[in-house]
Amino acid sequence: ELKVEQNPLFLSMQEGKNYTIYCNYSTTSDRLYWYRQDPGKSLESLFVLLSNGAVKQEGRLMASLDTKARLSTLHITAAVHDLSATYFCAVEETSGSRLTFGEGTQLTVNP
Amino acid sequence: DVKVTQSSRYLVKRTGEKVFLECVQDMDHENMFWYRQDPGLGLRLIYFSYDVKMKEKGDIPEGYSVSREKKERFSLILESASTNQTSMYLCASSFPSAYVNTGELFFGEGSRLTVL
Repeated sequence: ELKVEQNPLFLSMQEGKNYTIYCNYSTTSDRLYWYRQDPGKSLESLFVLLSNGAVKQEGRLMASLDTKARLSTLHITAAVHDLSATYFCAVEETSGSRLTFGEGTQLTVNP
Repeated sequence: DVKVTQSSRYLVKRTGEKVFLECVQDMDHENMFWYRQDPGLGLRLIYFSYDVKMKEKGDIPEGYSVSREKKERFSLILESASTNQTSMYLCASSFPSAYVNTGELFFGEGSRLTVL
């Protein structure tokens, strides 16, 4: 059974600071997805990582995938308040299109 | 843009009632999914479907059933609602990852169900 763990689950940071969210998973996969969820809203796709060593960047967020370590990171650079949200990683099972989600990281960026 | 529409944003039902949650997507996706989201537990897969009239159990199917009579529509049914089914329900759709080399999911806005 595929397990996906994120840490930290809660993150409070100051504007302007850098931080990294980690996503570990338990079985072989080379496809990983990051989503953002604002309070009361649904999930919005952020990054699609489809191979070992994949790196994607959008604004102050950068995601990477190391399939050998079964680890993905979401790095936040110079955080701003607008980044406050819950971030989920999701891993695709090698046998098909099914995704398993992590518990989510609730990020709060304080002025 | 992909659009996944869930019929009800907020529902309040009583214990024992039959509940239907409807989901429609307009991108001709083969795959459709129902998740529930609870604080501290992330998203858990209830049921999914790879094609019309096909369904597969996810991780927590007990107490739920589904129907997929048309490609664009995937319904979640709670035969006899219970208080522990109070949750946010999220519908999602995707192309088969073998076709487009990504299993990226597109989500609806969610249906928040309260069972009293």
